[in-house]
Amino acid sequence: QVQLVQSGAEVKKPGASVKVSCKASDYSFPSFGINWVRQAPGQGLEWMGWISAYNGDTSSAQNLQGRVTMTTDTSTSTAYMELRSLRSDDTAVYYCARGAAVAASPRSFDYWGQGTLVTVSS
Amino acid sequence: DIQMTQSPSILSASVGDRVSITCRASQSISSWLAWYQQKPGKAPKLLIYKASTLQDGVPSRFSGSGSGTEFTLTVSSLQPDDFATYYCQHYNTFSQTFGQGTKVEIK
Repeated sequence: QVQLVQSGAEVKKPGASVKVSCKASDYSFPSFGINWVRQAPGQGLEWMGWISAYNGDTSSAQNLQGRVTMTTDTSTSTAYMELRSLRSDDTAVYYCARGAAVAASPRSFDYWGQGTLVTVSS
Repeated sequence: DIQMTQSPSILSASVGDRVSITCRASQSISSWLAWYQQKPGKAPKLLIYKASTLQDGVPSRFSGSGSGTEFTLTVSSLQPDDFATYYCQHYNTFSQTFGQGTKVEIK
């Protein structure tokens, strides 16, 4: 069955960077995209960005532009999300979720990773 | 940016109740609306997409309706497994917005 398996929890200091991976299995990776969504403790869901595994197109939330980079490695069916210049309010569970392959065909998020807790603390 | 507003924020109900959650968009989003269920410590689960299409494997007691700016998620007969937080989402590849969530708790 379709699975998205994320890398493990991270603890980072303010100003550092974090890179979270999301390995996909049991579907054609280039036929979809990957979204990144985060959830601060006790808070709601916040969309961070999207990358197409088909053509590499990306889009990110305005409040994160310049700090977030999303990439894919089709040879290993893995997506990556790097967040730089970490602050304490970046502490959250980060999820990857399967989505649209191309911008012209919006798609809801039908499969999600298990989540990766990123803690930013001095 | 399009804003999504859910109501109520908290809904207290009993097993067997029919419950509805409303989601309003700040401008028309056609039918690009999904509903998710999230339980504590777990990833969200897709329930409904395109406003009213039930995701495979989701019980038929869940239904969605609406288009444009007003949408509703209805659970026809609340089951013990349904006590959770529900989120609506406007999805469009370049802009995705979630509602703030509705917690369905036991009365």
